[in-house]
Amino acid sequence: EVQLVESGGGLVQPGGSLRLSCAASGFTVSSIYMSWVRQAPGKGLEWVSLIHRGGNTDYADSVKGRFTISRDNSKNTLYLQMNSLRAEDTAMYYCARSCGGYWCFDYWGQGTLVTVSS
Amino acid sequence: QSALTQPPSASGSPGQSVTISCTGTSSDVGGYNYVSWYQQHPGKAPKLMIYDVSKRPSGVPDRFSGSKSGNTASLTVSGLQAEDEADYYCSSYEGSNSLLFGGGTKLTVL
Repeated sequence: EVQLVESGGGLVQPGGSLRLSCAASGFTVSSIYMSWVRQAPGKGLEWVSLIHRGGNTDYADSVKGRFTISRDNSKNTLYLQMNSLRAEDTAMYYCARSCGGYWCFDYWGQGTLVTVSS
Repeated sequence: QSALTQPPSASGSPGQSVTISCTGTSSDVGGYNYVSWYQQHPGKAPKLMIYDVSKRPSGVPDRFSGSKSGNTASLTVSGLQAEDEADYYCSSYEGSNSLLFGGGTKLTVL
């Protein structure tokens, strides 16, 4: 059974850093494209970042240069390193597994909440 | 990178059909067949309902269907049921390895 479990969210001050984790089971993260998608409170979904099977990475303009997506194949875990956090980064962060075409997501975690506030 | 345009709300009675639109441009919805639709119940993670414009993942009822014409994609829910009440989001590849979501539509079953 495919499962994604996020962790690492919490309260952080503006300008601070946080690393999110997404532990996967039922498949290997290195064999498929994986993404992070966020949702600000009461708002819609926003794609954040994608890591390709080969390790290439892509980012939304809103986080480029501040966030880094990575994975640890030995731990079957996806990460999102978030630096220089801003109030507008406050959101529920979901990790999601890409389906056949890598711009759709067939499995999602339950999300981890990041709050950026002083 | 403007969000795709969805109506904020839609509604229908049980058994009826409802269609939700998702309007973009020739650079996203109109330019690629990578439109997806997600259902999200309150406090839950999104669930994939349609991908690649009109394909249905296994386990999704065939009451849900997707289509596209020009720069506008549509999700149709036929035979509305109470459990269909949720928020629905469309997404589209927009080139340059980037993805856009719509603003979401709240579907109410009357």
